[in-house]
Amino acid sequence: GAVVSQHPSRVICKSGTSVKIECRSLDFQATTMFWYRQFPKQSLMLMATSNEGSKATYEQGVEKDKFLINHASLTLSTLTVTSAHPEDSSFYICSAQKGNQETQYFGPGTRLLVL
Amino acid sequence: AQKITQTQPGMFVQEKEAVTLDCTYDTSDPSYGLFWYKQPSSGEMIFLIYQGSYDQQNATEGRYSLNFQKARKSANLVISASQLGDSAMYFCAMSLNNAGNMLTFGGGTRLMVKP
Repeated sequence: GAVVSQHPSRVICKSGTSVKIECRSLDFQATTMFWYRQFPKQSLMLMATSNEGSKATYEQGVEKDKFLINHASLTLSTLTVTSAHPEDSSFYICSAQKGNQETQYFGPGTRLLVL
Repeated sequence: AQKITQTQPGMFVQEKEAVTLDCTYDTSDPSYGLFWYKQPSSGEMIFLIYQGSYDQQNATEGRYSLNFQKARKSANLVISASQLGDSAMYFCAMSLNNAGNMLTFGGGTRLMVKP
């Protein structure tokens, strides 16, 4: 199998607080994980590529100091939205690659609402 | 840069009939992968099918088949014997093998299966 989990599934926070989202590959090791953001009625947009043991690679326009990514182990990557604001409200979804396979397996996503 | 286009924002299909969801892509890279994902209202991204650019035969996975026409740069998804549970958003995506296998998504097609 290739199961990816995310926690929390839903979070509501006040403006200015930081929120951490965890992405775990449950039954395989993932050297590479990806973080996406999806606004309502839109497609997924890649935010960053996370490699175990190294710094994440961010897409153009994504602030690395605002969206902190840590990939400390082969089964866990975390995304921290620092000093969240209402415009950061979105659906955040991670994916993981199994070994050298191209296919990305996605987590169930996290709905973030910043008040 | 690579680009994925899904020209059908919404599609209706009668239960038990077949439906084709269109996807065209644009890349100058000879080595790439094409994917289809299903996203139900819960938000999770479910991997459906994969086609490599060098694969000679069209990919099939159960009721899903990918009509890969390389010269036309199209990778349409065919769902046979539609079921009510097939109602969802469907995303076509492409990865470039020499670019870290990052996925670029199309805009999506909302499929609605009528009973």
